[in-house]
Amino acid sequence: GENVEQHPSTLSVQEGDSAVIKCTYSDSASNYFPWYKQELGKRPQLIIDIRSNVGEKKDQRIAVTLNKTAKHFSLHITETQPEDSAVYFCAAPKGNFNKFYFGSGTKLNVKP
Amino acid sequence: NAGVTQTPKFQVLKTGQSMTLQCAQDMNHNSMYWYRQDPGMGLRLIYYSASEGTTDKGEVPNGYNVSRLNKREFSLRLESAAPSQTSVYFCASRGGSYSNQPQHFGDGTRLSIL
Repeated sequence: GENVEQHPSTLSVQEGDSAVIKCTYSDSASNYFPWYKQELGKRPQLIIDIRSNVGEKKDQRIAVTLNKTAKHFSLHITETQPEDSAVYFCAAPKGNFNKFYFGSGTKLNVKP
Repeated sequence: NAGVTQTPKFQVLKTGQSMTLQCAQDMNHNSMYWYRQDPGMGLRLIYYSASEGTTDKGEVPNGYNVSRLNKREFSLRLESAAPSQTSVYFCASRGGSYSNQPQHFGDGTRLSIL
């Protein structure tokens, strides 16, 4: 999406390893950064989000870190499991914060 | 509590036909969105509505029109469908105006244009 870049486009890890996905954004006024997981044929679903007043947020095996100076934020998944296999999207608001743009997605494959 | 409901789930059109995709939410959200998802392209914003009575263009608005019928409903219309509009269309809603809340998505409409 406009002004949100996501890398890598595909990521293959062994079960139990960690996975990291990174996104960069362009609007320095952006202050909210969600991550979505989309399983094949399903809707995107929120897995974690972070607001600009914090640098890191954790929820069990999932964490998000935010670097406002560099304008990037990352998703970290530890102890990956086969059910983590999916496409992950980052998003960031632009302008008046009602307009959300998405990264192009990362297809994560966790090999058992 | 159904969340975001999209109809239809599947549709096949011929080039030049018109079609309206329906979306309704029952969460009393102010903002609603239409995205299209093509393989490898992620989610691209077509139009959004920050509140009842307002709509605005996103990244890829050409060939589409929208109507925010009331607070619950936001429809997407293809006036003259083209094969390039074959895609999966997702509607989403979000609470608050400037608050930092996530979007909630519907199940999508899979549209094929021959």
